[in-house]
Amino acid sequence: QLVLTQSPSASASLGASVKLTCTLSSGHSSYAIAWHQQQPEKGPRYLMRLKSDGSHTKGDGIPDRFSGSSSGAERYLTISSLQSEDEADYYCQTWGTGFWVFGGGTKLTVL
Amino acid sequence: EVQLVESGGGLIQPGGSLRLSCAASGFTVSSNYMSWVRQAPGKGLEWVSLIYLGGSTYYADSVKGRFIISRDNSKNTLYLQMSSLRVEDTAVYYCARVVGGDYPDYWGQGTLVTVSS
Repeated sequence: QLVLTQSPSASASLGASVKLTCTLSSGHSSYAIAWHQQQPEKGPRYLMRLKSDGSHTKGDGIPDRFSGSSSGAERYLTISSLQSEDEADYYCQTWGTGFWVFGGGTKLTVL
Repeated sequence: EVQLVESGGGLIQPGGSLRLSCAASGFTVSSNYMSWVRQAPGKGLEWVSLIYLGGSTYYADSVKGRFIISRDNSKNTLYLQMSSLRVEDTAVYYCARVVGGDYPDYWGQGTLVTVSS
């Protein structure tokens, strides 16, 4: 069964960097994912598509501070030079033919 | 500029029906894959339905047989017809433009559906 696992919460200081993790279930380590950001009281926003080789395609207007990488079944979202507006929920998402799966989301707090 | 604007949400009793609309601008709905995703209060994102370019439709098990996704090319609008609504269908419903059937690259702002007696 295709499952995405995310830590429920993370925190980092203003101006620092943070690396969020999304783990694919066993047998699915080759899958690509997408990362989405949801700021409080807003709709989600597409950040990037991230392949198993670490290559990624960002959405329109996504700053260079956001980057992605991969290792095995792990997919990472790194945010550098953290700003207050980066405080949000971050969801990873993957897909098969005719279905999608979302991770449970990580709530990022900027200290 | 790509924009998606949902409407049609509201308060509905269990067992009732509701149709959500998603008006698109800046692109053509008929030339894209489209999707609906929902978010229950305080919870994460849950995929609801997909419509492919050729018209094939797909549904999450939780809504299969009760929800129907469709599009009106003349109005450049995506729809979600919801019937036999349950309390657990209460959520903000988002429409999204989809890349290759795989992931959304643009999202709407959502419309709230509350199912309650």
